[in-house]
Amino acid sequence: EVQLVESGGGLVQPGGSLRLSCAASGFTISDHYMDWVRQAPGKGLEWVGRTRDKVNSFITEFAASVEGRFTISRDDSKNSLYLQMNGLKAEDTAVYYCARGGRAGTEEWYFDLWGRGTLVTVSS
Amino acid sequence: DIQMTQSPSSLSAYIGDRVTITCRASQTTLSYLNWYQQKTGKAPKLLIYATSILRSGVPTRFSGSGSGSGSGTDFTLTISSLQPEDLATYYCQQSYTIPYTFGQGTKVEIK
Repeated sequence: EVQLVESGGGLVQPGGSLRLSCAASGFTISDHYMDWVRQAPGKGLEWVGRTRDKVNSFITEFAASVEGRFTISRDDSKNSLYLQMNGLKAEDTAVYYCARGGRAGTEEWYFDLWGRGTLVTVSS
Repeated sequence: DIQMTQSPSSLSAYIGDRVTITCRASQTTLSYLNWYQQKTGKAPKLLIYATSILRSGVPTRFSGSGSGSGSGTDFTLTISSLQPEDLATYYCQQSYTIPYTFGQGTKVEIK
């Protein structure tokens, strides 16, 4: 089955760190751009960042709101994606979704597969 | 950043009604405009991509279009005959340039 499963969410104090994981099955993540999207409680969707595919050297890009605090990495042996979040703020409280993005050489620039999400709460 | 503005923010309609949601971009996104449906407590699901291409498996009562002028800034999602299972919030998203941005969402309720 083609799916994404996030884990690693929880309660963390302001200034703390957390690493989210996204395990993929049914496809190879290195062939795809992989993105993180978040949704604060009762709010809309916000793009967080992405890692490009193997063809594009896995370059990472981020929203200004998290640039310098968040990083994205991959472990192709585990077919998994990670979001390392440092310097967390109350405004980072959200459900974090892993999503499959596009592929080089195609026009498939949309999120066609989403995980169920994992909740991150930043509070003292 | 490209700002995406949806209207209305919410609507209430009867089963069988035709429902239209609009999305306006602050600058051109060409045809890189996608629509997602999100039901309460669930992850978003892709409905339409590249302005008007219906994702496989999505009911044909859903359709997307861009303005006839070709400006790449005005887009529409239409539900031709609203069904009970269409109760959800709908988001547009531009994938023309980073940072990707979403509209604020349109909540569709059933009268």
